[in-house]
Amino acid sequence: NAGVTQTPKFRVLKTGQSMTLLCAQDMNHEYMYWYRQDPGMGLRLIHYSVGEGTTAKGEVPDGYNVSRLKKQNFLLGLESAAPSQTSVYFCASSSGQLVTDTQYFGPGTRLTVL
Amino acid sequence: AQSVTQPDIHITVSEGASLELRCNYSYGATPYLFWYVQSPGQGLQLLLKYFSGDTLVQGIKGFEAEFKRSQSSFNLRKPSVHWSDAAEYFCAVGMNTGFQKLVFGTGTRLLVSP
Repeated sequence: NAGVTQTPKFRVLKTGQSMTLLCAQDMNHEYMYWYRQDPGMGLRLIHYSVGEGTTAKGEVPDGYNVSRLKKQNFLLGLESAAPSQTSVYFCASSSGQLVTDTQYFGPGTRLTVL
Repeated sequence: AQSVTQPDIHITVSEGASLELRCNYSYGATPYLFWYVQSPGQGLQLLLKYFSGDTLVQGIKGFEAEFKRSQSSFNLRKPSVHWSDAAEYFCAVGMNTGFQKLVFGTGTRLLVSP
């Protein structure tokens, strides 16, 4: 039982390049989330999904797109990376409501945009 | 505006000493309260949560937290710290303000001295 996994663990991009971060969970959770973690700012929600085929914007969605084609996977895309997107990205999943259910986090992806 | 404050950025505690990490929130309704821990290079793991009932909640690894409505606080405590407790600790508050959101504090980094 791997829980929540993220690919890749590290990535360096040049400004304007695109990339996709993959999150996979094997707990059959309905809800999945993408956060970014920046020094002194805690975690901020980028996008989330309440089920296969659904996505919704979080607190800081600009510059990112997401897709949830399969229940177990949640992809985060950066179409044209900017230095402001340098951050650590965490994926999480939960079985139910965003505000009440325990979220299970992946190990994170450290992204640097030059 | 809704917010979560962890006033201590860093705390150093001697091994075997007691620990208290502070968390205050600003929210008009009854909150859902969480403490997560992040070990170096890892994702976040839930320590404990409070929704209702007894205001003193027990969590994993010997941690407990007390909800004080009058002070809008949810402080985390441990009677005797172990070196393995060195990590970053995040308080989070689940809020329903027309849409659901989980707001994280900025974190407190705990250092344990021998």
